[in-house]
Amino acid sequence: DTEVTQTPKHLVMGMTNKKSLKCEQHMGHRAMYWYKQKAKKPPELMFVYSYEKLSINESVPSRFSPECPNSSLLNLHLHALQPEDSALYLCASSQGRLAIGELFFGEGSRLTVL
Amino acid sequence: DAKTTQPNSMESNEEEPVHLPCNHSTISGTDYIHWYRQLPSQGPEYVIHGLTSNVNNRMASLAIAEDRKSSTLILHRATLRDAAVYYCILRAYNAGGTSYGKLTFGQGTILTVHP
Repeated sequence: DTEVTQTPKHLVMGMTNKKSLKCEQHMGHRAMYWYKQKAKKPPELMFVYSYEKLSINESVPSRFSPECPNSSLLNLHLHALQPEDSALYLCASSQGRLAIGELFFGEGSRLTVL
Repeated sequence: DAKTTQPNSMESNEEEPVHLPCNHSTISGTDYIHWYRQLPSQGPEYVIHGLTSNVNNRMASLAIAEDRKSSTLILHRATLRDAAVYYCILRAYNAGGTSYGKLTFGQGTILTVHP
């Protein structure tokens, strides 16, 4: 199993809603990542977890709250988002040592904030 | 973070080789050179990575200049499925550096493959 599964594939939410994006992998990877990608732009790194601990936060606004409950699961909790937060949110995983080895990406969750 | 420079776009014909260049003149000794690609409506996909020596795998070859200031991704026979955005990325493996662990995407090269 070499897949990173993201749910939901599409999400529409209002600015006052609270929602979550979910990412799951069963490759035994110990590093997991969230990226944000706007249309026709490269992915931008948001957060990195290594061994279930947050190791990188790229100064992301607090309305995005990551959570890594176990080594297979990564969540991104969303609250009070703005329309400009509409984007494709990509999850990725890699083996434990952060700088070595390839990242496996999911297909993304497309978020629309109204 | 050390940056990479790639052409905005390139075109190729099907079944011909493609050479995608990348300049990284400020690369440090602790940076690996990674290549990813992103097909339309998909997440990025790992292609290849290397440190100093040329590398080959089933997807592509990576040629690294002796001074490491540039590299070239080689697709030996392009297919229509290879049409994608190709990203050349430097990834630090020095745990003491501020960019350790980050995989930071640049603008990439849009590759168009003609039948």
